[in-house]
Amino acid sequence: DAKTTQPTSMDCAEGRAANLPCNHSTISGNEYVYWYRQIHSQGPQYIIHGLKNNETNEMASLIITEDRKSSTLILPHATLRDTAVYYCIVRLRGAGNQFYFGTGTSLTVIP
Amino acid sequence: AAGVIQSPRHLIKEKRETATLKCYPIPRHDTVYWYQQGPGQDPQFLISFYEKMQSDKGSIPDRFSAQQFSDYHSELNMSSLELGDSALYFCASSSGSVYGYTFGSGTRLTVV
Repeated sequence: DAKTTQPTSMDCAEGRAANLPCNHSTISGNEYVYWYRQIHSQGPQYIIHGLKNNETNEMASLIITEDRKSSTLILPHATLRDTAVYYCIVRLRGAGNQFYFGTGTSLTVIP
Repeated sequence: AAGVIQSPRHLIKEKRETATLKCYPIPRHDTVYWYQQGPGQDPQFLISFYEKMQSDKGSIPDRFSAQQFSDYHSELNMSSLELGDSALYFCASSSGSVYGYTFGSGTRLTVV
């Protein structure tokens, strides 16, 4: 699986958009980009995933650059409950293809 | 919706004892993954099972073993426990779809 690079930590004001970047310059054509988050000692929670196109769901938006070498997770209106470690992971689709967690970005939403 | 169930939630063991952690996947999920997360660390992949067969192995110590049963639940067996085994152990399950997989709430193992 391709390695990813994320900032170690970020702050965001409550109510503002949180933009979390991720570099995955060695991603291959059939690898997806996944985002998970972990709120203090809880199990990692799926947020969103994408292959080429930008994606949006009720939690977040995922913007993937045209060359697929980087992506940005956007939380449109951050709340205090969004304070967590956010992991950007690339992996092949399918059973048995486990997620390898990197360091992640520790996001702190400030009141 | 049903989630991944792990038991027990907390477990305290002494050094050199054994421990068994259980994981009940989401119904119709055929793949189970085990992760270990030490204090202040990121989750580390241990082992996975697909249709009751081991599908991949990560950084699982030889003192640990795991299996997936006919009802798809999985057990992680840990022997000769060491202080360094104190960690959160997460189980996740998937159906092989592109949506990734769902994690349980974890078992916190403390070895004293």
